[in-house]
Amino acid sequence: QVQLRESGPGLVKPSETLSLTCTVSGGSFSCCYWSWIRQSAGEGLEWIGRIYASGSTNYNPSLKRRVTMSVDTSKNQFSLKLSSVTAADTAVYYCARVATSTDGTEHFDYWGQGALVTVSS
Amino acid sequence: DIQMTQSPSSLSASVGDRLTITCRASQSISSYLNWYQQKLGKAPKLLIYAASSLQSGVPSRFSGSGSGTDFTLTISSLQVEDFAIYYCQQSYSTPLTFGGGTKVEIK
Repeated sequence: QVQLRESGPGLVKPSETLSLTCTVSGGSFSCCYWSWIRQSAGEGLEWIGRIYASGSTNYNPSLKRRVTMSVDTSKNQFSLKLSSVTAADTAVYYCARVATSTDGTEHFDYWGQGALVTVSS
Repeated sequence: DIQMTQSPSSLSASVGDRLTITCRASQSISSYLNWYQQKLGKAPKLLIYAASSLQSGVPSRFSGSGSGTDFTLTISSLQVEDFAIYYCQQSYSTPLTFGGGTKVEIK
């Protein structure tokens, strides 16, 4: 059974950098893309981006200027950094596995439990 | 970006009801459409992928249909544990986008 768990500070000051790590257990880390998704009360579910085990990335253009994702295959972990945060970045941040069907379609089949990050001084 | 619009945004239903939720894409996305269920305080759970494929372990009362721009999620006989928020999501192109959600409440 694949499990994902987010970890990181729950409180970040405005203008600073939000940092989260997702640890994957119970499955192959090199099989797939891994994504970050956030959910705030005002904006619903927002895809932040994805990273492959090789390190290749795709970011949401709306956040691209501030987002950096990285991967540590030795620890089965991938990470998110979001710089210059404001109150609008307050959200629950989820990590998720991107599975690919035989017809090439993609979907998020495993999710972490979510990490609430509040941006406040 | 591809916009995903769900309707209705909320509804009230009774146990045993047949339920249909609609999702419309702002452009054709073929069958690159997924459905998720989210309960309060929990992560979304995959129900349907590729428009009509049932995720392993999901009850057969859930089904999906559609292609192009119009899609539906159907629950054939609503159960107590189905009261939740349902989201559609397109994986046709990045940025991947979600619908605004449909909240299913007990009548």
